[in-house]
Amino acid sequence: DSGVTQTPKHLITATGQRVTLRCSPRSGDLSVYWYQQSLDQGLQFLIQYYNGEERAKGNILERFSAQQFPDLHSELNLSSLELGDSALYFCASSVGDRADGYTFGSGTRLTVV
Amino acid sequence: AQSVTQLGSHVSVSEGALVLLRCNYSSSVPPYLFWYVQYPNQGLQLLLKYTTGATLVKGINGFEAEFKKSETSFHLTKPSAHMSDAAEYFCAVSNNRKLIWGLGTSLAVNP
Repeated sequence: DSGVTQTPKHLITATGQRVTLRCSPRSGDLSVYWYQQSLDQGLQFLIQYYNGEERAKGNILERFSAQQFPDLHSELNLSSLELGDSALYFCASSVGDRADGYTFGSGTRLTVV
Repeated sequence: AQSVTQLGSHVSVSEGALVLLRCNYSSSVPPYLFWYVQYPNQGLQLLLKYTTGATLVKGINGFEAEFKKSETSFHLTKPSAHMSDAAEYFCAVSNNRKLIWGLGTSLAVNP
């Protein structure tokens, strides 16, 4: 157990729907990072939050949004889902706001049908 | 811009043989470099990292990597492969806010 908790582990939903993925960082970590992993594009950085504030943005679609709450857990919202959104979504956390080593959760596997 | 190239998307070795996974990077600033391992249906686990100081970095599970600035490389090695080393390995370079990832190398270990 890495200490980073992601729920749910698996999610199957239909095109056009909206889902929310949840991440609880490791105790003491203030930064949360979201990544998408797919076979054709590899690991893609989506967004980073540090202590409730957005710190960095990557290849995140406008249909996707995220936030970090006062208790430091984070949610990634995916809307108007398309087949191509099927992927593994990982959350990672770190103590500071620099990318000097993350702890990853075990991921949420999203399947859009 | 920073980038990472992992040479060889698939590497196969025999149990007990040397493991060598290649990683080259480009960076306009002194890099932080990382190797992560991903076992099937699991998240990524940090194997080792280079930030500053000693260029030979030792990690978990007997792996080590050497930062060679002149060659812009950070190759991962292990003297003797175990069956349990079969996994996907990712090299990454940090640009401070995020990690830039290689596409990964799948390591197969044959009995």
